[in-house]
Amino acid sequence: DAGVIQSPRHEVTEMGQEVTLRCKPISGHNSLFWYRQTMMRGLELLIYFNNNVPIDDSGMPEDRFSAKMPNASFSTLKIQPSEPRDSAVYFCASNRQGGGYTFGSGTRLTVV
Amino acid sequence: GIQVEQSPPDLILQEGANSTLRCNFSDSVNNLQWFHQNPWGQLINLFYIPSGTKQNGRLSATTVATERYSLLYISSSQTTDSGVYFCAVGTGGGADGLTFGKGTHLIIQP
Repeated sequence: DAGVIQSPRHEVTEMGQEVTLRCKPISGHNSLFWYRQTMMRGLELLIYFNNNVPIDDSGMPEDRFSAKMPNASFSTLKIQPSEPRDSAVYFCASNRQGGGYTFGSGTRLTVV
Repeated sequence: GIQVEQSPPDLILQEGANSTLRCNFSDSVNNLQWFHQNPWGQLINLFYIPSGTKQNGRLSATTVATERYSLLYISSSQTTDSGVYFCAVGTGGGADGLTFGKGTHLIIQP
């Protein structure tokens, strides 16, 4: 099993540009989660999906953030337009109901 | 929302020592997990333990859900145990998002 796969590993972009982060969950896992980690706020839940359906997006900070899960093997998190305060490490995780999370390696986003 | 408090915030130990990390939470939960974030930033799931006791090698964990706390025990520490240990809780039985504590930063010195 290749685990949860995130891409890119690092992203540096200019303020105002669109950023798309990608995640491939573990096959057979039916829940997918997007988290953001910063020094100031720690690990924050942004949104999660069960069976490809968004369940709770109350953690999405602004309308500039959007997430999709078009099928069981792929999800995207998009920021448009990006701002310097969006700089953080973005993690994707997946699990099978009743089981522990498996995290991806994260995407380190820097907005300059 | 639910509050998660971890203690101590920082811990420095010599190799071979034992340690106990604590996680208190403010409401009933049916999902509790412990994670280790290594110095390279990778988050590794240690335990899924909404109640009871589990052991995995030198690590063990106990959750007393009725008293709203969980403990993570590390025995015979090794330098590779260094990193940040997070407790995370949820109320949806495994199909919901987790609320993370601020973590315990553990440094094991050789």
